[in-house]
Amino acid sequence: AQSVAQPEDQVNVAEGNPLTVKCTYSVSGNPYLFWYVQYPNRGLQFLLKYITGDNLVKGSYGFEAEFNKSQTSFHLKKPSALVSDSALYFCAVRDIDDYKLSFGAGTTVTVRA
Amino acid sequence: ETGVTQTPRHLVMGMTNKKSLKCEQHLGHNAMYWYKQSAKKPLELMFVYSLEERVENNSVPSRFSPECPNSSHLFLHLHTLQPEDSALYLCASSQVKGTGDPYEQYFGPGTRLTVT
Repeated sequence: AQSVAQPEDQVNVAEGNPLTVKCTYSVSGNPYLFWYVQYPNRGLQFLLKYITGDNLVKGSYGFEAEFNKSQTSFHLKKPSALVSDSALYFCAVRDIDDYKLSFGAGTTVTVRA
Repeated sequence: ETGVTQTPRHLVMGMTNKKSLKCEQHLGHNAMYWYKQSAKKPLELMFVYSLEERVENNSVPSRFSPECPNSSHLFLHLHTLQPEDSALYLCASSQVKGTGDPYEQYFGPGTRLTVT
């Protein structure tokens, strides 16, 4: 079985400050990990993924995520948040032996000007 | 959006109606998915088609009936729905060669369904 937890329903930051969205996962084998973003009235947009190799993964719009196997975490980060980053963020996990994605409940990010 | 399109974007239907949701992917993928998104809940995977065969049906009520006539099109036929079925229905596609492939899924904009 695989699952994802996003412990924060909401994250609020000021524009220009660092942004972190937390994610922890559980899989029986090795994971593939993904971050998606959803803007109002839109579908999910792929941001980045971890497959193997470097623990720090860089993605779209200046986002990056750090894979930590010992803590089973895959936190999303952005050094300097923009108001336009305000959206709903989803973490997802796949066991490499499965094709199904399991999503977290999502974290609403609000960046204030 | 040209990757994965969904129609209609909004749908209001009564409990006795029959309607269909349509999804089309223009990415050359060979797998398609239906998800249900309800507020404050994780996305629920409903159905998966790989190479036009249904490979997943997550205990979805029979009032939801999927159809995948080819690798580019996916339908969700709806009949005698309940108010709790009101949600955003998302279609996604991906490339699948084997279970070990790390391909991400690409999503359509969704259909906002309201059952009255």
